[in-house]
Amino acid sequence: NAGVMQNPRHLVRRRGQEARLRCSPMKGHSHVYWYRQLPEEGLKFMVYLQKENIIDESGMPKERFSAEFPKEGPSILRIQQVVRGDSAAYFCASSPILQAPGFSSYNEQFFGPGTRLTVL
Amino acid sequence: DAKTTQPTSMDCAEGRAANLPCNHSTISGNEYVYWYRQIHSQGPQYIIHGLKNNETNEMASLIITEDRKSSTLILPHATLRDTAVYYCIVLRAGGTSYGKLTFGQGTILTVHP
Repeated sequence: NAGVMQNPRHLVRRRGQEARLRCSPMKGHSHVYWYRQLPEEGLKFMVYLQKENIIDESGMPKERFSAEFPKEGPSILRIQQVVRGDSAAYFCASSPILQAPGFSSYNEQFFGPGTRLTVL
Repeated sequence: DAKTTQPTSMDCAEGRAANLPCNHSTISGNEYVYWYRQIHSQGPQYIIHGLKNNETNEMASLIITEDRKSSTLILPHATLRDTAVYYCIVLRAGGTSYGKLTFGQGTILTVHP
């Protein structure tokens, strides 16, 4: 059973370009989360999606950032008009269908290897 | 979700038990304690979680005090590959917050030969 896949692993963009980061969740997982880790900082939640729905985007910057998780295909985190401050590691995680409260595997998230974005 | 407090860093000798403490004095009855770790530059990895009973799996043990205000993650026989940042996270079951892990600064565990 393959783990969470992210590509590309490394992405270099010039200021003003667009960055598209892809995440393929584990087989059978219908929940996807995106986190960002700025250099020398901790992981910060960005967005939580289910198939075709954004459930919680409270951690997403208001401008230039968007995320989707279509019915078919990977989840995409899109950053338009990138700036140097967007340089970071972006991690995707997936989890299975959430089970009833009290079930022990309720919120185990499986993380991908991350995409390192460098903005020149 | 309740706030957690962890020591910034800890050292452990290879082969010895590593005991990582976490304070969560404001934890409420429906909040779980989760532990994740992040080995350098990799994605975080789930370790273990619990509600009020002690838990053990192939990676670690989790000891939660009776009042649930603190817990300890135990790696019984630490190896060099256990060197990582360890995060203690308190998470409410149910509602929309269960989708969001809030990572603090964590504890940098360094395992020495």
